[in-house]
Amino acid sequence: AQSVTQPDIHITVSEGASLELRCNYSYGATPYLFWYVQSPGQGLQLLLKYFSGDTLVQGIKGFEAEFKRSQSSFNLRKPSVHWSDAAEYFCAVAPSGNTPLVFGKGTRLSVIA
Amino acid sequence: EPEVTQTPSHQVTQMGQEVILRCVPISNHLYFYWYRQILGQKVEFLVSFYNNEISEKSEIFDDQFSVERPDGSNFTLKIRSTKLEDSAMYFCASSETDPTNPLSGGDTDTQYFGPGTRLTVL
Repeated sequence: AQSVTQPDIHITVSEGASLELRCNYSYGATPYLFWYVQSPGQGLQLLLKYFSGDTLVQGIKGFEAEFKRSQSSFNLRKPSVHWSDAAEYFCAVAPSGNTPLVFGKGTRLSVIA
Repeated sequence: EPEVTQTPSHQVTQMGQEVILRCVPISNHLYFYWYRQILGQKVEFLVSFYNNEISEKSEIFDDQFSVERPDGSNFTLKIRSTKLEDSAMYFCASSETDPTNPLSGGDTDTQYFGPGTRLTVL
């Protein structure tokens, strides 16, 4: 069965600092990979996605993620964090289209001044 | 920009009561999903729906649950007799995926989520 691991439950960064959120997955082939963000009391907003091709993908709000097949990872990065980035971040995978997403447990990001 | 909408935003009910959660998927989307997130836990898949029938369901989706597309726009999740452990945030999602189209895939498979309905069972 597929699984997604987000090893960091909670990360705190200073505003303006760089950010990397880790995501590892367990799946035989290359799945579809996603990052979603959930602000307090809000729904899940898609940040970015990877299906194939260039392993570095750009998303909204200045986020990017890199797919590394050898490490089964899809880490999310941002060069300079803003206070408004404070939220819960979820990595998700799916074997292909029209299949259920499997989510990680999420990483809560706090941003301090 | 088109978005998935859900009503109500918060529903409080007594244990044993029936609840219906409503979703309006993005208009040209064909595949619909329900997920739930118990407070403090991960988002879990419940069911997917395509062409007016269930495509896939998880172990969570037992006989207490049902889904329906009563008209051309709404997609509903019914919980027949709510239990305390049904308290959760329920998310609807939709995608353009068309399994009959050989060109479908990639971007069309992206699932877009609604804002969720918080269900509280007392």
